[in-house]
Amino acid sequence: AQSVTQLDSQVPVFEEAPVELRCNYSSSVSVYLFWYVQYPNQGLQLLLKYLSGSTLVKGINGFEAEFNKSQTSFHLRKPSVHISDTAEYFCAVSDLENSGAGSYQLTFGKGTKLSVIP
Amino acid sequence: SAVISQKPSRDICQRGTSLTIQCQVDSQVTMMFWYRQQPGQSLTLIATANQGSEATYESGFVIDKFPISRPNLTFSTLTVSNMSPEDSSIYLCSVETGTGPPEQFFGPGTRLTVL
Repeated sequence: AQSVTQLDSQVPVFEEAPVELRCNYSSSVSVYLFWYVQYPNQGLQLLLKYLSGSTLVKGINGFEAEFNKSQTSFHLRKPSVHISDTAEYFCAVSDLENSGAGSYQLTFGKGTKLSVIP
Repeated sequence: SAVISQKPSRDICQRGTSLTIQCQVDSQVTMMFWYRQQPGQSLTLIATANQGSEATYESGFVIDKFPISRPNLTFSTLTVSNMSPEDSSIYLCSVETGTGPPEQFFGPGTRLTVL
């Protein structure tokens, strides 16, 4: 079975400061990794994903994440945050063992609420 | 990509009643998923709905409580039956297009409050 741990439930940060949202996963097989963002009263939007290849993945809105297999981590970073980045961020993992008939079921972490302070 | 709409966007319901949530996709998709997001919690998969077959439910979720229909490749419904306050959650549907790298696209969610 796979699991995802987001170590910080809430992260306050000043505008234009850098931020890192941490995500660790456990799985016995190769995985796909995702970061989703949920703005208030909205559904989830994909920020970025790691499937294979380069361990540094760039996504939308200036976010990036680095896959570290030895540390089983996929931390999300942004060098300078904006007020508009205030949202909840979810890390998710999918592996082929948890998939059937070609689907890729996602296991989500509990989320990290990012609050950007003016 | 896929654009997904859900109806209703929110509802307040009385204990013991049922609510059916609709999920409409702008393209044909094979895989549709229903999630529950309880207040302050992450997303939990309720079931996977493939067109032409019975939905597959995750541990802790049963068809009598959450019946699902999938009549065609662009539409699905989730019914929350005999509701109690513990069913107050956001319910989201998502789809997997089945082409290209794996990615799920999510609807905006249905915010349900049970009194």
